[in-house]
Amino acid sequence: DAKTTQPPSMDCAEGRAANLPCNHSTISGNEYVYWYRQIHSQGPQYIIHGLKNNETNEMASLIITEDRKSSTLILPHATLRDTAVYYCIVSKGSSNTGKLIFGQGTTLQVKP
Amino acid sequence: GAVVSQHPSWVICKSGTSVKIECRSLDFQATTMFWYRQFPKQSLMLMATSNEGSKATYEQGVEKDKFLINHASLTLSTLTVTSAHPEDSSFYICSAPGTGKVGEQFFGPGTRLTVL
Repeated sequence: DAKTTQPPSMDCAEGRAANLPCNHSTISGNEYVYWYRQIHSQGPQYIIHGLKNNETNEMASLIITEDRKSSTLILPHATLRDTAVYYCIVSKGSSNTGKLIFGQGTTLQVKP
Repeated sequence: GAVVSQHPSWVICKSGTSVKIECRSLDFQATTMFWYRQFPKQSLMLMATSNEGSKATYEQGVEKDKFLINHASLTLSTLTVTSAHPEDSSFYICSAPGTGKVGEQFFGPGTRLTVL
C-alpha cells in the first residue's frame, strides 16, 4: 500500500473551514484514498473516501488532484468536537476486507 | 451505521497472567476483523487479521504465540494476550469491514490494558 505524508499538526478557528492536506505520490491506479479520524481515547471513525473524483458527504469533502498524488480533506465549518487526529490512508478497496495501515496523521486543534 | 463493541473497555492485570479481549460486530456479520495496538501519542499499528473459521494472519514482528486470536463466529473475534508483561500495556482496538461502502471499516471503542 502506498505511503502518505501529512503535516503533524494544524489549528483551525471554530466555524471556519479546516483544510487538511495529504501527499500520496506513490499511489497506484487501483488504490483509494480514505480519511479516518480518532478522537482522544476512542476508536477511529470513517469520514470519507474517493478514487479519482471529488467526494462530499454530510461530514466533509474530499478533493483529489488530477494526478491523484495528493488530496485535501475539507471540514466546511469546524466545531470544537472536530478536534481529533485525522488519518489519510491509501488502500486497495477492491473488496471490503482490505486492511488499513495508519500513518502518523494530523492532529487538528479547533480553537474557539 | 454498523456497531463494533469491545469488552472489557479497560483491564488491569498482574505480570505473567493472560488477558482476553472480545470484539463483537453487533448488527452485521464479519468474516474478517482486524486487531490494532496503539501506544500513547502514537498511531495505530496493525497486529493481525482475524479470519472466521481459519487461522489469523499476523503482521511482521507480531508474536503469534503471545497474541492468540480466535474468530469462532461471524460476529466475534477474541485477542488473548498471554503471559502479559508491562511492555504489553497499550490500547487495543479492533475493526471490522462494513457491507456498504468499499473499504469502510468500523472500529470498536478500544480496550485499555495495563499490566502491573
